[in-house]
Amino acid sequence: KAGVTQTPRYLIKTRGQQVTLSCSPISGHRSVSWYQQTPGQGLQFLFEYFSETQRNKGNFPGRFSGRQFSNSRSEMNVSTLELGDSALYLCASSSGLVSYNEQFFGPGTRLTVL
Amino acid sequence: AQKVTQAQTEISVVEKEDVTLDCVYETRDTTYYLFWYKQPPSGELVFLIRRNSFDEQNEISGRYSWNFQKSTSSFNFTITASQVVDSAVYFCALSEALAGYSTLTFGKGTMLLVSP
Repeated sequence: KAGVTQTPRYLIKTRGQQVTLSCSPISGHRSVSWYQQTPGQGLQFLFEYFSETQRNKGNFPGRFSGRQFSNSRSEMNVSTLELGDSALYLCASSSGLVSYNEQFFGPGTRLTVL
Repeated sequence: AQKVTQAQTEISVVEKEDVTLDCVYETRDTTYYLFWYKQPPSGELVFLIRRNSFDEQNEISGRYSWNFQKSTSSFNFTITASQVVDSAVYFCALSEALAGYSTLTFGKGTMLLVSP
């Protein structure tokens, strides 16, 4: 079974630009979660999508948004980039069932904002 | 609110030493899961173990062992006979039933450096 894939792996942008990151979950998984990892704040939950609907959201500004497609692939978008958005963005997929289900993480996209 | 604290920022040991990574959590939920993840330099989070709030039985898996104590809200992780390949950042995390288990709250991580 193929794992979680994230593209691109590395991105360099400048302040004010916008960026779109992509995540393909494990086949059959319907839930995709996004996390931001920075040296200062650590790993923080951004949002979770299940069956094309946002099911949960972390405490991030509206510049951070996401969506999920019918094939469960997900994208997250960051508009008007700030220097502080430089981070490793990790995507995790799970079956999304009500009872506990394990989250599998992708390799991440490292975003650098100049 | 939920919170996970890993007081040890960095630990350095020499190969073959035993090392324990500490994790203390806070939650108002009675049903929750606790995890340990490993993050090598490549960046991908690797799942190590999961424990639910009703299972305080400690576990040993090869060189790894875990000590879960609800009375002290701790979920500690021990590596015996450490190896250089164990060098990584280790994260403790919490997932709550009230949040539908859909989110993980992570600690800040403990960087483990194992030298030859």
